[in-house]
Amino acid sequence: QVTLKESGPGMLQPSKTLSLTCSFSGFSLSTSGMVVSWIRQPSGKSLEWLAAIDWDGDKYYNPSLKSRLTVSKDTSNTQVFLKITSVDIADTATYYCARGLMGTLDYWGQGVMVTVSS
Amino acid sequence: DIQMTQSPASLSASLGETVTIECRASEDIYNGLAWYQQKPGKSPQLLIYNANSLHTGVPSRFSGSGSGTQYSLKINSLQSEDVASYFCQQYYNYPYTFGAGTKLELK
Repeated sequence: QVTLKESGPGMLQPSKTLSLTCSFSGFSLSTSGMVVSWIRQPSGKSLEWLAAIDWDGDKYYNPSLKSRLTVSKDTSNTQVFLKITSVDIADTATYYCARGLMGTLDYWGQGVMVTVSS
Repeated sequence: DIQMTQSPASLSASLGETVTIECRASEDIYNGLAWYQQKPGKSPQLLIYNANSLHTGVPSRFSGSGSGTQYSLKINSLQSEDVASYFCQQYYNYPYTFGAGTKLELK
């Protein structure tokens, strides 16, 4: 059974660094073709793909945020991390991680709400 | 980036009706398109991938079609549990991009 779960701080102040963790089970990120992506969704709005890391350790970023994003994974291939630097109110959203296979996002976590507020 | 233009933004339909949602890409995405359903307070769920392939466990009343830059999602015989928002997504190129979404309600 494939499951993913996001965790994060819930709330943080502007200009701080947001650190998110995606813990998953039921698949191996070391399997060829496997990818874990991060996507976010402000309340009532559409989805924005942020970043991904693949089985080979290659990383992909949304150019609109690239300078602020860092995606990484742990050596056991059971967790993926996302850091967003210099957050502001516009980064308030629900953040999801999702398993990707051949581009499709076939399993998603439940999401974690992040509020940026002073 | 590839822009995804989705229409309509909202849709009201009756039970048993057939509805169609459209998505247009700003360039050819060679069937690298997925459709997701999102119910309030829940995460998106994959319905269709490769433009026309049904994801495991998705009811057969959902179907996808299209090619090039034009794609559509059809829901036959609308059920009450289909009330949700629907999003298209291209994965032909990074960065992946999504349509703005279609909110489907019952009439």
